Amino acid sequence: DVKVTQSSRYLVKRTGEKVFLECVQDMDHENMFWYRQDPGLGLRLIYFSYDVKMKEKGDIPEGYSVSREKKERFSLILESASTNQTSMYLCASSLGQGTAPLHFGNGTRLTVT
Amino acid sequence: GNSVTQMEGPVTLSEEAFLTINCTYTATGYPSLFWYVQYPGEGLQLLLKATKADDKGSNKGFEATYRKETTSFHLEKGSVQVSDSAVYFCALRFSGGYQKVTFGTGTKLQVIP
Repeated sequence: DVKVTQSSRYLVKRTGEKVFLECVQDMDHENMFWYRQDPGLGLRLIYFSYDVKMKEKGDIPEGYSVSREKKERFSLILESASTNQTSMYLCASSLGQGTAPLHFGNGTRLTVT
Repeated sequence: GNSVTQMEGPVTLSEEAFLTINCTYTATGYPSLFWYVQYPGEGLQLLLKATKADDKGSNKGFEATYRKETTSFHLEKGSVQVSDSAVYFCALRFSGGYQKVTFGTGTKLQVIP
C-alpha cells in the first residue's frame, strides 16, 4: 500500500512566522501535490511537482513556495504566515500518468493566530 | 478551463436507501474521471475511476458510469450503510501536460440508522 505521511497533524503558528509542512511518500511516485481544503471551496491546488527540483504553480500559489530536493519528499513553505492561510493542507502523490489516482496523506490542520 | 460540478450537500439518507450524487464536468477532450471519499479526520482515498467513455467504475457497492454525451459521472449505491457517511469528491484528470487534477467541491453524505 502507498503511504503518504505528513509530518504534523495539527500546527499552530503566529502571524509572520515561516512555516514548513513536510510530506513523504514511499512508492517512488513522480508526481506530488499540495492542496488546501476549505469548507465550501473543496480542494484547491497550491503547487505540484512532476520530478525532483521541478515545480509548477497551481491555482492559488500566492504566499506559498515549495521544495523537492528528493523524489520522496515535497515540502510546502509559508514564507510569512497570515491568518487567511488557516486551513487544512493535504499532500498527495501519484504515478506520472493521467489515469493514475492520487494517494493522499491525512492532512495537516494549520491555525495561524 | 476544466471544472467539476457536484450536487450541493449535505445529503441525509436512512440506512438501506438508494444513493445518487450527481457530478458533471466541463473539459476540452476526454479526461479520466474519479470518485474519492474522505472519512472524518482522514485524507481522501480513491473510491473508483473510469478512463474512457461508457466505462463503469465500481467498488464497495458504489458505481459510476462515464457518460460522454452528458459529460457526467454520477455516483450511485443501491443500499447505503451508516459507515458510508463521508464526504465524496468527483475529480477529473488528463493524460497530457502536467496531469493536474481538478476536484469538485465535495458532497457530504450522512446516513442515519
